[in-house]
Amino acid sequence: QKEVEQDPGPLSVPEGAIVSLNCTYSNSAFQYFMWYRQYSRKGPELLMYTYSSGNKEDGRFTAQVDKSSKYISLFIRDSQPSDSATYLCAMRTGAQKLVFGQGTRLTINP
Amino acid sequence: DAGVTQSPTHLIKTRGQQVTLRCSPKSGHDTVSWYQQALGQGPQFIFQYYEEEERQRGNFPDRFSGHQFPNYSSELNVNALLLGDSALYLCASSFGASRSADTQYFGPGTRLTVL
Repeated sequence: QKEVEQDPGPLSVPEGAIVSLNCTYSNSAFQYFMWYRQYSRKGPELLMYTYSSGNKEDGRFTAQVDKSSKYISLFIRDSQPSDSATYLCAMRTGAQKLVFGQGTRLTINP
Repeated sequence: DAGVTQSPTHLIKTRGQQVTLRCSPKSGHDTVSWYQQALGQGPQFIFQYYEEEERQRGNFPDRFSGHQFPNYSSELNVNALLLGDSALYLCASSFGASRSADTQYFGPGTRLTVL
C-alpha cells in the first residue's frame, strides 16, 4: 500500500464548476501538507501549504486537512481553462523529504 | 529573483552510460533535494544535500549519487543507466535542512531518455 493515495483521474469539468481533489494517507506522522500544480512537461509549482489540521484559503483555492481521517482536499472555485493541469498532493513529517501522490489530471472545458 | 534552474533541459543516453544533471537553487536557499518523476507518476525522493553532505536518501540504488558545491548548487550523477531510469528529474530547493517549516520550490526538471 502506498503512503499517499490519489486518484489519477482524468477529471474533466466545465468552466466555472467547483473542483474537488483529494488524497488519503497512511502515515500519521505527516504534519505538513502541500498541493502542487504541474503543467505538462514543467516542474511542480507550489499552490497551497498547510500545517496540521484545518482550512486555508487563497483566492479561488481552499485546502483542507483532516488528520483524524488522514484525508486532505483541494477545492477550486470558479474553475478556469488555465487551471487545466496535474495536481499533486504532497506531505512530510518534520524532515524535508516530500512524499507525493500520483497526481490527478484535471481538464477544465470552456 | 531567479528561481531554481536546471540543466540540461533534455538528455538522451544509451544503456550503460553515465549522466550528470545540474541544479542551481533559488536565491537564499541552501538545501537541494532531487526527485525522479516517471511518466504518469508523482515525484519520488532520491536524496537531499545540505552543507555539502547527503542528509537523507530515498529508496534508490548506489548508482545514483550526488554532490553539493560551496555555492549550494548541486549535481546528480547516475551510472550504468537502465531503460527504467528514463524520467523527469526534478531539483527542489529550500532553506535549512533542519527547519521543518520551510517548503520546497521546484525547478523545471531535466527530461532523461535512456535508449
